[in-house]
Amino acid sequence: AQTVTQSQPEMSVQEAETVTLSCTYDTSESDYYLFWYKQPPSRQMILVIRQEAYKQQNATENRFSVNFQKAAKSFSLKISDSQLGDAAMYFCAYRSAYNNNDMRFGAGTRLTVKP
Amino acid sequence: ETGVTQTPRHLVMGMTNKKSLKCEQHLGHNAMYWYKQSAKKPLELMFVYSLEERVENNSVPSRFSPECPNSSHLFLHLHTLQPEDSALYLCASSQVSVAGVDTQYFGPGTRLTVL
Repeated sequence: AQTVTQSQPEMSVQEAETVTLSCTYDTSESDYYLFWYKQPPSRQMILVIRQEAYKQQNATENRFSVNFQKAAKSFSLKISDSQLGDAAMYFCAYRSAYNNNDMRFGAGTRLTVKP
Repeated sequence: ETGVTQTPRHLVMGMTNKKSLKCEQHLGHNAMYWYKQSAKKPLELMFVYSLEERVENNSVPSRFSPECPNSSHLFLHLHTLQPEDSALYLCASSQVSVAGVDTQYFGPGTRLTVL
């Protein structure tokens, strides 16, 4: 079974600085999708960024980018120019391309942004 | 706010009660999901309805019963729950097509407390 590991339960960053959240996953499949979701306190979980495993180029969305290392099964999220509104729980998720109904999440990383 | 709504937002129930959680998606999606989110644990996928067909999850106790009357509505019927069932229950939806499965969009969740 695929598992997703986020080794950092908590992280903090100074406003305007850069922070990287780690995620590793375990799979024997060659094709899959990876996601980072953000869940602000008492608010809805929203998609931050997604990566298709067959794409070698790292996905970027404004201040958010990923470092996708397929061989190492690593999928880290970099947040540049951190803002107070970035404070949230961040979840890494894996979805198989062969089983569309199976999506696995990591336990999450709580990010604090210090003014 | 995304196009997925959930009611109620908070629910307190006794172990002998019967209650239902409701989810509605306004995104035109054809797949809906129930997740359980407990503190410091990864999200657990409970049930999936894809193209209005239910995908069984054998690890979910029978005291949880899903219902999907159409592609826009999803219910989770609860009866004789246990205190360990207290959690945030998240609903999500996505679009399934021959090209694969699009990103899942989440509702705000129902915070359930079982006394």
